[in-house]
Amino acid sequence: DTEVTQTPKHLVMGMTNKKSLKCEQHMGHRAMYWYKQKAKKPPELMFVYSYEKLSINESVPSRFSPECPNSSLLNLHLHALQPEDSALYLCASSQTPRGPYEQFFGPGTRLTVL
Amino acid sequence: GESVGLHLPTLSVQEGDNSIINCAYSNSASDYFIWYKQESGKGPQFIIDIRSNMDKRQGQRVTVLLNKTVKHLSLQIAATQPGDSAVYFCAEYNQGGKLIFGQGTELSVKP
Repeated sequence: DTEVTQTPKHLVMGMTNKKSLKCEQHMGHRAMYWYKQKAKKPPELMFVYSYEKLSINESVPSRFSPECPNSSLLNLHLHALQPEDSALYLCASSQTPRGPYEQFFGPGTRLTVL
Repeated sequence: GESVGLHLPTLSVQEGDNSIINCAYSNSASDYFIWYKQESGKGPQFIIDIRSNMDKRQGQRVTVLLNKTVKHLSLQIAATQPGDSAVYFCAEYNQGGKLIFGQGTELSVKP
């Protein structure tokens, strides 16, 4: 299984809502990543988890809260988002964070904040 | 600062022709590069990678060339097909272990 899955595919939420994005991989990878991608732009790194511990936070606002319950799962909890947070949120994984290794990307969650 | 960029934002080619997508990088210490393809509504898909101890690497219909002297990376696609239409990103591993993406080139294939 060489796939990263993400749910939901699409999400529409209001600025007062709380929602979560989910990511899963079964490749035995020990590094997992969240990226944000705006239209016509490259992915921008948000968070890196290394062996289930948060190792990099790219100064992301606290309304985004990542969680890594185990080595296969990665969540991104959303609360009090702003319309400018609307974007494609991509999850990725790699063999280890030390690398360099290829990062495998999921299909993304298209988020719209109203 | 470190950056990875592409020379052209868009590229249009005729079906069957060869495509060349270019990328310039600024960090001479980078030792690993990846080309990703991203189709509309999908996540980036790995195409091919190259390490700095190589000048050229070939895959199926794709070739990546690395010129460390001028810090230039290119992706060649042979016999371009409509299914190759997508945005192509080069990416570079920096010293902090982060993958830094270039701005992307949108490839359009005309039938």
